[in-house]
Amino acid sequence: AQSVSQHNHHVILSEAASLELGCNYSYGGTVNLFWYVQYPGQHLQLLLKYFSGDPLVKGIKGFEAEFIKSKFSFNLRKPSVQWSDTAEYFCAVISYGSSNTGKLIFGQGTTLQVKP
Amino acid sequence: DTGVSQDPRHKITKRGQNVTFRCDPISEHNRLYWYRQTLGQGPEFLTYFQNEAQLEKSRLLSDRFSAERPKGSFSTLEIQRTEQGDSAMYLCASSSIGRVGETQYFGPGTRLLVL
Repeated sequence: AQSVSQHNHHVILSEAASLELGCNYSYGGTVNLFWYVQYPGQHLQLLLKYFSGDPLVKGIKGFEAEFIKSKFSFNLRKPSVQWSDTAEYFCAVISYGSSNTGKLIFGQGTTLQVKP
Repeated sequence: DTGVSQDPRHKITKRGQNVTFRCDPISEHNRLYWYRQTLGQGPEFLTYFQNEAQLEKSRLLSDRFSAERPKGSFSTLEIQRTEQGDSAMYLCASSSIGRVGETQYFGPGTRLLVL
């Protein structure tokens, strides 16, 4: 079965520290990749996405992610986190197989806590 | 763009009761998805519609669950004879297929608590 694995469930950083959240998926075919963020009390919001082309994608609020096909990975990065980045982060994949279903398969999520 | 809306935002019910949730997608989006999210987990796919046609249902969707999208606009998700295990956040997302790919936008969710 297709699956998405996020390596870290809970990350605590100080402001200005660098961030990297790991994400690996199991499907070997054509994939679209996403990172969603859920700030406290808010709904899921799209942070960035990869469909094709340049494997380094930039999103909102200074986040970026790199698609490494050979490693089935799509890690999220930010050079310098802020207290306002405290949130839950979800990696998600759409794998297009025999059907054209665009259902998202999510990882478990990573809770990021940034200390001021 | 008013975003995806869901109603109600919270629902508390007793075991055995029926509940119905509504989702209003972004107006020009022809695809609508339902997901369920439990504490500490990512959302899990339940079902999806393209216009008014329900094209896929997850095995998570037992016979007690039914979803409709009668005119290809809003959708309802009904749970009959609720059980405590149905307690979760029910999320709705909508999308339209672009030239390159599909991006889903999520609503605020309906949090269900079954007592």
